[in-house]
Amino acid sequence: DAGVTQSPTHLIKTRGQQVTLRCSPKSGHDTVSWYQQALGQGPQFIFQYYEEEERQRGNFPDRFSGHQFPNYSSELNVNALLLGDSALYLCASSSAGAETQYFGPGTRLLVL
Amino acid sequence: KNEVEQSPQNLTAQEGEFITINCSYSVGISALHWLQQHPGGGIVSLFMLSSGKKKHGRLIATINIQEKHSSLHITASHPRDSAVYICAALTDKLIFGTGTRLQVFP
Repeated sequence: DAGVTQSPTHLIKTRGQQVTLRCSPKSGHDTVSWYQQALGQGPQFIFQYYEEEERQRGNFPDRFSGHQFPNYSSELNVNALLLGDSALYLCASSSAGAETQYFGPGTRLLVL
Repeated sequence: KNEVEQSPQNLTAQEGEFITINCSYSVGISALHWLQQHPGGGIVSLFMLSSGKKKHGRLIATINIQEKHSSLHITASHPRDSAVYICAALTDKLIFGTGTRLQVFP
């Protein structure tokens, strides 16, 4: 079991560009949550996907969007990147109704 | 005020010392997580608690639901325990504290 995987591991973009981050959940999990962790801060909830739909959303602008595929993998898209979007983006998977989330290694995004 | 507060923010210790990290929350929760994050970002779940106490090796986690407070203890600390420890309250989503950076020196 590969656990939760994320790609890419690192990414550098410039202001105004768009980025897509990818997450494959742990085998048997159907729910994917995305978090943003700025340097020195705790993670902040972005949104959660279940059954290919956004089930919950944190306090993030519409520039942040996502998608879940039939195989439960997920993408996080960020449009019109700002310098402040530089952060570690974490994906976590779980089974619907279960309380334990398993985290991926994260994608570190730097916006110049 | 953050819904989940941790203290201290930074902690240094000598190898062998007993460590306590505290977490207070102001929201109703179904469970509380303790997580460990090493440099590079990977997060590992240590405990999930909804009541009482759990122990795993040298790690002990306790929670007091009435006082909305949880503690993580590390006995006989070791340099490999150096990491950021984060508590996260489970409501309808995970709400994270800002973390406690622990450094254990030989």
